[in-house]
Amino acid sequence: KQEVTQIPAALSVPEGENLVLNCSFTDSAIYNLQWFRQDPGKGLTSLLLIQSSQREQTSGRLNASLDKSSGRSTLYIAASQPGDSATYLCAVKGPSNTGKLIFGQGTTLQVKP
Amino acid sequence: DTGVSQNPRHKITKRGQNVTFRCDPISEHNRLYWYRQTLGQGPEFLTYFQNEAQLEKSRLLSDRFSAERPKGSFSTLEIQRTEQGDSAMYLCASSLTTWTGENTIYFGEGSWLTVV
Repeated sequence: KQEVTQIPAALSVPEGENLVLNCSFTDSAIYNLQWFRQDPGKGLTSLLLIQSSQREQTSGRLNASLDKSSGRSTLYIAASQPGDSATYLCAVKGPSNTGKLIFGQGTTLQVKP
Repeated sequence: DTGVSQNPRHKITKRGQNVTFRCDPISEHNRLYWYRQTLGQGPEFLTYFQNEAQLEKSRLLSDRFSAERPKGSFSTLEIQRTEQGDSAMYLCASSLTTWTGENTIYFGEGSWLTVV
């Protein structure tokens, strides 16, 4: 049974700091991995999608890496801003392209001005 | 493209009543998903449709839960005889899947259910 864990559960950093959020999964047979952002009381916004054959994806100040063999993904946020404050969730799908995503519990990030 | 739309956004109901949530996906998306999320947890998969076919249901989806997607367009999620444990946010999402793979999944703003 696939399990997804995110560490830390919460993180508080000063503005401008570079930071890394971690995601681990127990079964390396995944189809893809996605990182999402969720603001309080809102739905999820997809940030980055990494296919199983890819090692990383970048979008603006965000970079996500995937190491399937070790069951890990990291989300790197450069030059953090107060507007980055939110909960970040990773989710895996697999091993085939079914509809089911398995989510971690999320990391709640606070960026202080 | 107005995104994924969910209605109602908030619903308070008495235990034992039935409730129905509606989801309108992005128009060209062939997949539609329902998830449930409680405070402090990640979303949990409930079910998904490809066009009008319901392809997978979670064991979380008890007999009191039913989902439909007539004609492969909008979807409804009905909860019968609600219980306090059903209180959660119900999230709908959609995506376009082709033979080359799946594109980004888009979530709606969610429907909050409170059972009193």
